[in-house]
Amino acid sequence: DVVMTQSPLSLPVTLGQPASISCRSSQSLVYSDGNTYLNWFQQRPGQSPRRLIYKVSNRDSGVPDRFSGSGSGTDFTLKISRVEAEDVGVYYCMQGTHWPPFTFGPGTKVDIK
Amino acid sequence: EVQLVESGGGLVQPGGSLRLSCAASGFTFSDHYMDWVRQAPGKGLEWVGRTRNKANSYTTEYAASVKGRFTISRDDSKNSLYLQMNSLKTEDTAVYYCATPGFDYWGQGTLVTVSS
Repeated sequence: DVVMTQSPLSLPVTLGQPASISCRSSQSLVYSDGNTYLNWFQQRPGQSPRRLIYKVSNRDSGVPDRFSGSGSGTDFTLKISRVEAEDVGVYYCMQGTHWPPFTFGPGTKVDIK
Repeated sequence: EVQLVESGGGLVQPGGSLRLSCAASGFTFSDHYMDWVRQAPGKGLEWVGRTRNKANSYTTEYAASVKGRFTISRDDSKNSLYLQMNSLKTEDTAVYYCATPGFDYWGQGTLVTVSS
C-alpha cells in the first residue's frame, strides 16, 4: 500500500500570513495515463471533508484562489497564500493512483495563533 | 445539486451487525462508482471500500481492515448505496461517510459505535 505522510502535523498560523503543508508518498503517484491522482481535502470542525484540489493542482469549484496545489512524483504541497479565519481545520492529502486501497495522509491541523 | 445522505448508524455490541444506507440525488447514480470512508473519533480518514457500476459488474474492493466482514451493495433503482457490517469490533467505531468516486461530494456521515 502507498503510505502518505504530511508535515507539519500541526500548523499555527497568523491571519493574513501564508501557510504551506507538505505531503509525500511512498511511491510515485504518476499513473499510466500520465495523470497524478493526488487530492487535497479540508475538514472544518464538525463538518464532512471537502475536496479542495484534485490531480495535484486543480482547484474545485468554489474554492478560493488563495489555495493552490503543486508538486510531482512523490512530493506535493498545499499552499494558502493568506490565511483567513474560515481556513481553520484539518487538511488531508490522498492518493488515488494505486488503489485499492485509497490512502490518506495523517492530516495537518491548521489553527490561528 | 448533488446530495448524499447517510443513515442507519447507532450503538451495537461487539460481534453484532449493522447496515448503513446512503441516499443519493442530483446526479446519475447508476453511472458512477461509489465509496465508503470512515473516521474514528478524533482520528484521520480511512477508505473502507468501493463499488463499481453496472457496466463493471458491480464489483467491489475493500480495505484490508474490513475485508470479509463488510459488504458494499447498491440499488440503482433507488439511488441507494449500502454498507453491511458484520462481526463488528470496537475499532470499527467511527463516522461513516459515503462519497462520489472522485471524492468530490461527501455525505454528512453517520456514527457507528461498537461497545458493550
